[in-house]
Amino acid sequence: SAVISQKPSRDICQRGTSLTIQCQVDSQVTMMFWYRQQPGQSLTLIATANQGSEATYESGFVIDKFPISRPNLTFSTLTVSNMSPEDSSIYLCSVDLLAGDNEQFFGPGTRLTVL
Amino acid sequence: AQSVTQLGSHVSVSEGALVLLRCNYSSSVPPYLFWYVQYPNQGLQLLLKYTTGATLVKGINGFEAEFKKSETSFHLTKPSAHMSDAAEYFCAVSLSNNDMRFGAGTRLTVKP
Repeated sequence: SAVISQKPSRDICQRGTSLTIQCQVDSQVTMMFWYRQQPGQSLTLIATANQGSEATYESGFVIDKFPISRPNLTFSTLTVSNMSPEDSSIYLCSVDLLAGDNEQFFGPGTRLTVL
Repeated sequence: AQSVTQLGSHVSVSEGALVLLRCNYSSSVPPYLFWYVQYPNQGLQLLLKYTTGATLVKGINGFEAEFKKSETSFHLTKPSAHMSDAAEYFCAVSLSNNDMRFGAGTRLTVKP
């Protein structure tokens, strides 16, 4: 298994500003993912962030809006840029330990409110 | 591409009653299947998963699910609901380790 922490756990931000969310894992992992969970909705994958390569973004998400860093095998950041109220969501990171069963382990999430 | 449908966005049961949360999937090949639970203000926690082998899978907190290929279903059950089971439940399907699709979620309410 993996223990994942995220910072901050929640934040309230003004529109037009940016917020960087950190994801820390207690072991080295290759595959990390960032998800968005809008209020009352399911999870939507934003991007896959593998160490040593550029993040791969899903349709509807772009690097200028959600830049991702993956400096090492235990850490990643997601920035939500030029925020608007529509960005108010829970942002979750997850990892796949490549155990062959595709299971993902999730962090506790970052609850973002944009005013 | 695979997809998953959860029937019922909200299920309400009485404490001690059977819990049944429905999940159907669409996939060209048998996928890996998961049930996750999300308690308020928390991330997702794995309840159980099906990869291969026995089609009846037992998970944590007394939950179990049965993979039925003929019905493309993976319904989650628990014989007796507890107040602490109140949460959001997500069914997920995966064909590869970089592609997991989640259902819309089912909110379980447990009445005393």
